[in-house]
Amino acid sequence: GAVVSQHPSRVICKSGTSVKIECRSLDFQATTMFWYRQFPKKSLMLMATSNEGSKATYEQGVEKDKFLINHASLTLSTLTVTSAHPEDSSFYICSARGLAGYYNEQFFGPGTRLTVL
Amino acid sequence: AQTVTQSQPEMSVQEAETVTLSCTYDTSESDYYLFWYKQPPSRQMILVIRQEAYKQQNATENRFSVNFQKAAKSFSLKISDSQLGDAAMYFCAYNRGSTLGRLYFGRGTQLTVWP
Repeated sequence: GAVVSQHPSRVICKSGTSVKIECRSLDFQATTMFWYRQFPKKSLMLMATSNEGSKATYEQGVEKDKFLINHASLTLSTLTVTSAHPEDSSFYICSARGLAGYYNEQFFGPGTRLTVL
Repeated sequence: AQTVTQSQPEMSVQEAETVTLSCTYDTSESDYYLFWYKQPPSRQMILVIRQEAYKQQNATENRFSVNFQKAAKSFSLKISDSQLGDAAMYFCAYNRGSTLGRLYFGRGTQLTVWP
């Protein structure tokens, strides 16, 4: 159990376009979802925390208008990178925490590789 | 602020040998959780082991065990009988045990396993 999926697994887009990444909890209800960004051989950087039905809380330095997060249901959160530029190219990972968070564990999605040309 | 420090950017071990990865953390909380995550080349984050701060007994999961020193704020991971599949980036993480549930990650240790 406790599976989190992400779609797409990789995406290539042109500069200036918007890209949406979906994060789904497949077999549990996720009250909280987290979005991370990871550069090659680096650690995960938390971008934002989203709770179902409320606005996301962004970490300092993360542009809210560029990285739009919507947690519309207990099984789906989306990250939209608006007007993407080459510097937005990165690996994006989501994680989800359920209603009965076992030891506060987060379950991670497989990640999405974004390349902006 | 909570910080997690992994002082070993890279480690290597011979297959079947034992290796220990270091992690220290800083917190003023008394109740918290500590984790080791493994990230193989596929980049899927996999939970290796977890430790609750209120438990004195060190957590163990098969070949993986931790040495949790609460007073020293140290949380090292020991991998016994290393296997080629253990090669990955290992991240130490801290969670303060509240409903917020955010994780604080260390910078990671890249483990290479030699045959």
